[in-house]
Amino acid sequence: NAGVTQTPKFQVLKTGQSMTLQCAQDMNHEYMSWYRQDPGMGLRLIHYSVGAGITDQGEVPNGYNVSRSTTEDFPLRLLSAAPSQTSVYFCASRNQGVYGYTFGSGTRLTVV
Amino acid sequence: GEDVEQSLFLSVREGDSSVINCTYTDSSSTYLYWYKQEPGAGLQLLTYIFSNMDMKQDQRLTVLLNKKDKHLSLRIADTQTGDSAIYFCAERRPGGATNKLIFGTGTLLAVQP
Repeated sequence: NAGVTQTPKFQVLKTGQSMTLQCAQDMNHEYMSWYRQDPGMGLRLIHYSVGAGITDQGEVPNGYNVSRSTTEDFPLRLLSAAPSQTSVYFCASRNQGVYGYTFGSGTRLTVV
Repeated sequence: GEDVEQSLFLSVREGDSSVINCTYTDSSSTYLYWYKQEPGAGLQLLTYIFSNMDMKQDQRLTVLLNKKDKHLSLRIADTQTGDSAIYFCAERRPGGATNKLIFGTGTLLAVQP
């Protein structure tokens, strides 16, 4: 099925551990973004990409790295997890000229 | 400021109209959006409005845009229990980061039977 696929759906990490949240889309979309959702704060943009090989920071980039080696994939890396990174993470994509983003179903991350 | 503001909670009775309000920040934002999030799910695009429009209607949904006041509203006619969800407004900001979609804090709509 076409869409944005995020894995894993749930993850528990210990403080200091590293991990990568995966995001893949099969719609050949140019633009991809990572958001985190926290209660009472809506969605905040972490990093985004306007095409393969091009990434930039959003509102809350600290503690996260991204890369975009292919059009389809946009992984989000946590190098040293902190409890403040406990959140629900959403990946989204759109193509040029497409008005709205397509969102993945989210990854719920808990850092203990 | 950077914040897109929404009230946190709205409760209506089934069959009534719901109006969810949003104040955005950048007068040059090109598109404004309404997304719906059901429990445990991702965000679903409901509707959008281009910044040179004042109103857009799509079945039970009516979007009103007041550019002068940077105010956006979503009216849901004949609200149903299935409309219970969190509703987010978002603005697409222009410039080099045309990819930037900035979200409000979300409004929880509770529909009472």
